[in-house]
Amino acid sequence: DTGVSQDPRHKITKRGQNVTFRCDPISEHNRLYWYRQTLGQGPEFLTYFQNEAQLEKSRLLSDRFSAERPKGSFSTLEIQRTEQGDSAMYLCASSNPDIPSGEQYFGPGTRLTVT
Amino acid sequence: GEDVEQSLFLSVREGDSSVINCTYTDSSSTYLYWYKQEPGAGLQLLTYIFSNMDMKQDQRLTVLLNKKDKHLSLRIADTQTGDSAIYFCAVYPPYNQGGKLIFGQGTELSVKP
Repeated sequence: DTGVSQDPRHKITKRGQNVTFRCDPISEHNRLYWYRQTLGQGPEFLTYFQNEAQLEKSRLLSDRFSAERPKGSFSTLEIQRTEQGDSAMYLCASSNPDIPSGEQYFGPGTRLTVT
Repeated sequence: GEDVEQSLFLSVREGDSSVINCTYTDSSSTYLYWYKQEPGAGLQLLTYIFSNMDMKQDQRLTVLLNKKDKHLSLRIADTQTGDSAIYFCAVYPPYNQGGKLIFGQGTELSVKP
């Protein structure tokens, strides 16, 4: 396993369209996180899963956002009715909660541009 | 909630040492991390330190933690042009049940030949 992968790497969409991103975590990691990063800022937490259960959602995650991890492996993040303010890098990370240091490994990100 | 602050820019000459600083607000934070981000890429974990340690060394990287002042630093020895990137400090707050990280806004390191 070479690490966390994300698809697509770039997405350009028109305002009002729906988009879906995919994340494949490191195979033995059962925690999966989504973060959003805007230009000049650090990543901000959106949501996380332990196996297939979504355990926490940030208030940043409006009703237009939904995330799933149906079989406890890959995850999808969908944004409905995109707005220009949704333009950002969407980062996925995974971790193994059995490791006390809890380090998270990040994928390359999906850069979303809403025109 | 936890707040993490970093200076925005640092410029050094190749071969010099770089010191990137970070302050945080919650003294009960357990693990503290340093990540590196190159343009257009995701975050690469560089190193971390547990809150009961003062220092951790890993090859060219030295992490110093001052819990009293809630100050974390990353020293890069013999800085190379390939070290040019944005460096993020991140903390694992104690109230955190799920392990979400709180990040600073990043320090852009520029290494001049």
